[in-house]
Amino acid sequence: QVQLLESGPGLVKPSETLSLTCSVTGGSLNHYFWSWIRQTPGGGLQWIGYIYSNARTVYNPSLRGRVTISADLSKSQFSLSLKSVTAADTAVYFCARDMDSGSHSAFSVWGQGTMVTVSS
Amino acid sequence: DIVLTQSPDSLPVSLGERATINCKSSQSVLYSGDNKNYLAWYQQKPGQPPKLLISGASSRESGVPDRFSASGSETDFTLTIASLQAEDVAVYFCQQYVAPPRTFGQGTRVEIK
Repeated sequence: QVQLLESGPGLVKPSETLSLTCSVTGGSLNHYFWSWIRQTPGGGLQWIGYIYSNARTVYNPSLRGRVTISADLSKSQFSLSLKSVTAADTAVYFCARDMDSGSHSAFSVWGQGTMVTVSS
Repeated sequence: DIVLTQSPDSLPVSLGERATINCKSSQSVLYSGDNKNYLAWYQQKPGQPPKLLISGASSRESGVPDRFSASGSETDFTLTIASLQAEDVAVYFCQQYVAPPRTFGQGTRVEIK
């Protein structure tokens, strides 16, 4: 059974870069869409972007070019980098996998989430 | 972006009674390639990630109790809990995956009346 685990700093200073990693166990990164999603303190969910098999990436345009998602197949990990953070980036960050191999589908596997606070 | 609007924001329901949540999309989520609605429903309890209940607008995931059902097409969708149980207290979200950016509804909080 595939399991996901987010890791990274819980506190990031304004204007710096937020970096998180999602470790995947019980399955391969190949042939699935792997996403980052965040949940604000108010409870809203925002999709950040996805990577497909260490190749194609698609990002939420609302993040204005600040985001990069990359993957390391050999380590079964994919990562999020969010530049120039502000307090508005404070959220719980989840990694998630689509349900179906090779096609867009719902998020069937989620990590537990990691809280990131942006503050000086 | 496709905007999903859920109603109501909060839903108090007595135990054993029916709960109905609506999700309206600003654009059709019906994918012409396979004639399926690319809409999902999730349940989220405090301190947990969202849990997938329904995909394809109406297909219940394995292990999800059959008191949960969903229907709808193109822009109007409904999630129904036929007989509310205490463990169903949660926030419910709809989400579309027909086109990026993938978007979520704002959530509906279901509570015991």
